[in-house]
Amino acid sequence: DIQMTQSPSTLSASVGDTVTLTCRASEYIGNWMAWHQQKPGRTPKLLIYKASTLGSGVPSRFSGSGSGTEFTLTISSLQPDDFATYYCQRYTSFTRTFGQGTTVELK
Amino acid sequence: QVQLQQSGPGLVQPSGTLSLTCSVSGASLSEYYWSWIRQCPGKGLEWIGYTFYSGSTNYNPALRSRATISADRSKNQFSLELTSVTAADTAVYYCARDWDNGIDVWGQGSTVTVSS
Repeated sequence: DIQMTQSPSTLSASVGDTVTLTCRASEYIGNWMAWHQQKPGRTPKLLIYKASTLGSGVPSRFSGSGSGTEFTLTISSLQPDDFATYYCQRYTSFTRTFGQGTTVELK
Repeated sequence: QVQLQQSGPGLVQPSGTLSLTCSVSGASLSEYYWSWIRQCPGKGLEWIGYTFYSGSTNYNPALRSRATISADRSKNQFSLELTSVTAADTAVYYCARDWDNGIDVWGQGSTVTVSS
């Protein structure tokens, strides 16, 4: 089964920072990568699909890039609402796998 | 606007069967993939499986032997059954719409506790 590995597990940052989260797939997945944001006690929210396409209503400070096995999510000018856990998720080969998550916390 | 409404018991006996239903409005089960995902306390998201427009299903290999996802197109609902549950199956369970544009609509989540 294809494994997804996110790094770092936790990222400490300040409002206004630009942060980059990384996700690596154990096998080639093309651009079939999504990113989700989850806040404590809340339902996850789709941010990015097909590696780099912004989801509906998602602010433009979020951007995704990568293909194959290496992917990144960048948040430019971090806002107070962005402190949350972010999950990458591949959707290929008739199954789905989530990464273990990266928590962006206030420094 | 697509909405997913989950229902089912919040407490299941150990060794019993967990059953949840997701009612879909604003979209047809005959389109898209429809997934179940869970999140154990303090843990990350785990995909359980999906049913899709042909009626076929695919599952997480780790849960394939215990999970069954079915669809009732007349009611526009899909369901999850998980057999032989243990405390490790205690989790928040989500249903979701799943397609080429990602898992983009989620149900409200159902907290299921396995306990006697």
